Amino acid sequence: EDKVVQSPLSLVVHEGDTVTLNCSYEVTNFRSLLWYKQEKKAPTFLFMLTSSGIEKKSGRLSSILDKKELFSILNITATQTGDSAVYLCAVPNSGGYQKVTFGTGTKLQVIP
Amino acid sequence: DADVTQTPRNRITKTGKRIMLECSQTKGHDRMYWYRQDPGLGLRLIYYSFDVKDINKGEISDGYSVSRQAQAKFSLSLESAIPNQTALYFCATSVAHRGDTQYFGPGTRLTVL
Repeated sequence: EDKVVQSPLSLVVHEGDTVTLNCSYEVTNFRSLLWYKQEKKAPTFLFMLTSSGIEKKSGRLSSILDKKELFSILNITATQTGDSAVYLCAVPNSGGYQKVTFGTGTKLQVIP
Repeated sequence: DADVTQTPRNRITKTGKRIMLECSQTKGHDRMYWYRQDPGLGLRLIYYSFDVKDINKGEISDGYSVSRQAQAKFSLSLESAIPNQTALYFCATSVAHRGDTQYFGPGTRLTVL
């Protein structure tokens, strides 16, 4: 059974701190790993990673995939209160059935 | 304007009632999906559709049905709602050649009493 595990479950930091969110996975026919940010309602897409060692960056956010050890990390530097959200990791499999396995998320709270 | 819209945004209903949740998109994507989100369980796929004539069950389709009325519209029905279908429901879309990246609607919070 495909599995995506995120840690920590929740995190409280002060503005300006740097945080690292973790995602480990076990899926058949891996092809990509995605990170989403979920604020009040809908998840919004952040990154898609397909190859190991490729670091994706978008401003203060960056992410790395390690396909050998089956994990990814999402880093957020110089955190702001607007970064407060649930961060979801998702891994599609490339079987005939379009299944995307989502982790349960890491809830990040950034306090002033 | 939002690219993926869902109606209603909130709904409270009683056990046994028939409920329809609607999803519309202006992104021109072929693929559409319905998920439910429950605390501690993450997002789980209910149904998905790759085009108007292609409907597929997801991992938790029991108790649900769908209709793809057009490329832009995908509806989810609960024929006889039960309390454990209380959840946050999301519609999502993706393009065929980049199917991994999904774009989510704002969600419908459904409560079944």
